[in-house]
Amino acid sequence: NAGVMQNPRHLVRRRGQEARLRCSPVKGHSHVYWYRQLPEEGLKFMVYLQKENIIDESGMPKERFSAEFPKEGPSILRIQQVVRGDSAAYFCASSPARYNSPLHFGNGTRLTVT
Amino acid sequence: AQTVTQSQPEMSVQEAETVTLSCTYDTSENNYYLFWYKQPPSRQMILVIRQEAYKQQNATENRFSVNFQKAAKSFSLKISDSQLGDTAMYFCAFILYYGGSQGNLIFGKGTKLSVKP
Repeated sequence: NAGVMQNPRHLVRRRGQEARLRCSPVKGHSHVYWYRQLPEEGLKFMVYLQKENIIDESGMPKERFSAEFPKEGPSILRIQQVVRGDSAAYFCASSPARYNSPLHFGNGTRLTVT
Repeated sequence: AQTVTQSQPEMSVQEAETVTLSCTYDTSENNYYLFWYKQPPSRQMILVIRQEAYKQQNATENRFSVNFQKAAKSFSLKISDSQLGDTAMYFCAFILYYGGSQGNLIFGKGTKLSVKP
């Protein structure tokens, strides 16, 4: 049973470039969550998606960040025109349902903006 | 606003001894779950233990147990017989349940635990 798979594990981008982070949930899970972890901090919620729908994006910065979870394929977190402050570890989690379902986390993608 | 506070940024314990990590949280809601996650250097988030707020009995998982004090909004983690593999960041978190749905996991800033041989 494969867990949540995130790639790449490490991503380096120059300021102004785009970053694409991919997340394949546990097979059969239709709920995906993205979290960001800044150095020395806990994880902070960014966005929650169900297949083809964004359900809650209250933690997502208003500009430059977007997320999708298409009917086929992985969930993508996209950061346009990256800045140094975007450097962080980005975690994806999935669950089979919205209620009473523990989240399964991936190993995260560490984004470094130079 | 819901918050989670872990007041111990770092702790250390000798192998085979017992250590307790503190966590307090703030919410005005009654239905929620509490969690402790472990994050080793590999960065993986591993669920250690969870507690339903409506249950008075403290959860236990092998060497890990919690002391849940709902009135005090306190949720400490006790690790018995500490092992070198317990060295990691430990995060306290909770999630609200309401109207047949659930909110989002809210995390504390973590406690870095070092187990010394």
